[in-house]
Order: sequence, then C-alpha cells, then structure tokens
Amino acid sequence: AQTVTQSQPEMSVQEAETVTLSCTYDTSESNYYLFWYKQPPSRQMILVIRQEAYKQQNATENRFSVNFQKAAKSFSLKISDSQLGDTAMYFCAFIPQGGSEKLVFGKGTKLTVNP
Amino acid sequence: EADIYQTPRYLVIGTGKKITLECSQTMGHDKMYWYQQDPGMELHLIHYSYGVNSTEKGDLSSESTVSRIRTEHFPLTLESARPSHTSQYLCASSPFRTAGPQETQYFGPGTRLLVL
Repeated sequence: AQTVTQSQPEMSVQEAETVTLSCTYDTSESNYYLFWYKQPPSRQMILVIRQEAYKQQNATENRFSVNFQKAAKSFSLKISDSQLGDTAMYFCAFIPQGGSEKLVFGKGTKLTVNP
Repeated sequence: EADIYQTPRYLVIGTGKKITLECSQTMGHDKMYWYQQDPGMELHLIHYSYGVNSTEKGDLSSESTVSRIRTEHFPLTLESARPSHTSQYLCASSPFRTAGPQETQYFGPGTRLLVL
C-alpha cells in the first residue's frame, strides 16, 4: 500500500524568509504524480504545485518549488519569500498512474508565517 | 478557484435527523470524491464516483451514502445523524476517469457539521 509521510506536524517561519516542508512516500509504482495542496484556515483547499514522476526537472510555481528525489522517494516543498498569506495547512499527496486512482494524503504540516 | 460548490457551509443539527450535504461542480468532471476531515487533521476518503451511476466506498468506513444521478451532482446523505458524525466534509472532483498527467483534484469549500 502506498503511504505518504509528512514528518513535521508544525513549522513556523518569519515573513520574507524561506522554509522547506518535507514529504516522503512509499510506493512500488514507477509512474505516479505528486502534489502539494494548501488549506488556509477556514478556507478552501487549493493546489500549490504538481510533479510528474517521469519528469526529472523540479516543478516551480512562482515562490513555490519542489525538490523531487525519486530514488529517495522524497518530495519537499520550498516556499521562498514567505508571506503572511502562506499561513496554512500543507498536504502532500500521491497518486499512481493506472493504479488505485485515489489520492493518498499525508497528515499535513501546519505552517505559520510570523510578521 | 475551481467551480465546485458545497451547501450548506455550516450545519448544526440534532441527533437522529436525516441530512443531505450537497456538492455540485460545473466543470464536467467525471470523478468526484467525499472526504471527512477533523479541523487541522488529515483527510479521509469516504466515497468516490467515476461517473453517473458509479459509487464506491473509500478508505474510511462511513455510515453515509452517496448517489450520482447527474455528472455535476454528488450528494452525501446521513440517514440518522449522531455526534460522532461531527466533522468537516470536503467534496472534490477531477477531470479524468483514469489517473493521468492532468490528475488534479479540485476541492469545494467544505461543510462543517455539528451534531448535538
């Protein structure tokens, strides 16, 4: 069974600094997709960034980037120039291609950006 | 933001009442999902659907039921609400029947349910 582990239940960072959230996963699949979702307090869950496992290049979206290490099964999220609006729960998620077709979520990391 | 809607956003109800949580999406997505999430905690998949007339149970056992009579609509029903059902319920949808490069789930705003 596939599992996703987020080892940091809570993190904090000062505004304008950089923070990295960790995610590891376990799978025997070779083709799959990885996601980071953001859930602000009392607000809607939204997609932050997506990575296809067959792509070696790390995905980036503005201030958000990932460090995808396929051999190590690691998928960390880096947030640069942190802003107060980045305060949220962040969930790492995994889905195999052609497998169970259900997203497997980690337990989440609560990130607080301090002014 | 994605075009996926949930009503009501908040519901306080007494034990034993029947409730239906509504979820609709205007994106024409085939796949839809229901998750249960306690505040600040992980998500648990309770139901999903591949399309009209398709429903499957998720990883977390739930006393709720779902139906999918129309592509855009995926309601969740609790026949007899109990305090243990108090939680947040998130609906999501994704565009493709099988996992592929565009496999991304879009989430609704959620319904917070409190059963007294």
